[in-house]
Amino acid sequence: QKEVEQNSGPLSVPEGAIASLNCTYSDRGSQSFFWYRQYSGKSPELIMFIYSNGDKEDGRFTAQLNKASQYVSLLIRDSQPSDSATYLCAVNRRVYKLSFGAGTTVTVRA
Amino acid sequence: DAGVTQSPTHLIKTRGQQVTLRCSPKSGHDTVSWYQQALGQGPQFIFQYYEEEERQRGNFPDRFSGHQFPNYSSELNVNALLLGDSALYLCASSLTDLNTEAFFGQGTRLTVV
Repeated sequence: QKEVEQNSGPLSVPEGAIASLNCTYSDRGSQSFFWYRQYSGKSPELIMFIYSNGDKEDGRFTAQLNKASQYVSLLIRDSQPSDSATYLCAVNRRVYKLSFGAGTTVTVRA
Repeated sequence: DAGVTQSPTHLIKTRGQQVTLRCSPKSGHDTVSWYQQALGQGPQFIFQYYEEEERQRGNFPDRFSGHQFPNYSSELNVNALLLGDSALYLCASSLTDLNTEAFFGQGTRLTVV
């Protein structure tokens, strides 16, 4: 079983729509959950992090965490062409290694 | 405030050679982690350095080694390069003892021919 699994892509959404990204993890001791955005050929850029169960909103982005289900998601509202990228889910125990999923590629159609 | 900087940005090496990659962490950060990202995959953890010691290591052979200096900067060394070592090598810095996020440098694209 992989440590972090993300829904397979690519995900294509029309401009202005909501993009929904899902991630599950296997380590029940995971404490921190991150979403990174990675443009082609670039390094990952942190867009959201969440530590507690529930929702966390930051602008057009909302992260949702359910530790009982070992599930974390990212919603992108009012999707823009600039949101077209690969989104990486990562989890860790406190300060140690980040375990990443393989990523979900999102394409926003104008 | 300078972010995480890595050098070089691109590198081409021949199979069997050795390579050294460098990383300067974000100002105020004391922990450096290295990741390998193959094409189409998520980053894979190589190791993490804190207080000049390797604190945790991923599933990478001993050909991969590292070092952290007193100013928190770090090096990643790879010996006896294989074609399969071709990847984007990412350095991430963070502040230990806090449940904080890690920030990545721009990466070093290593090509082994």
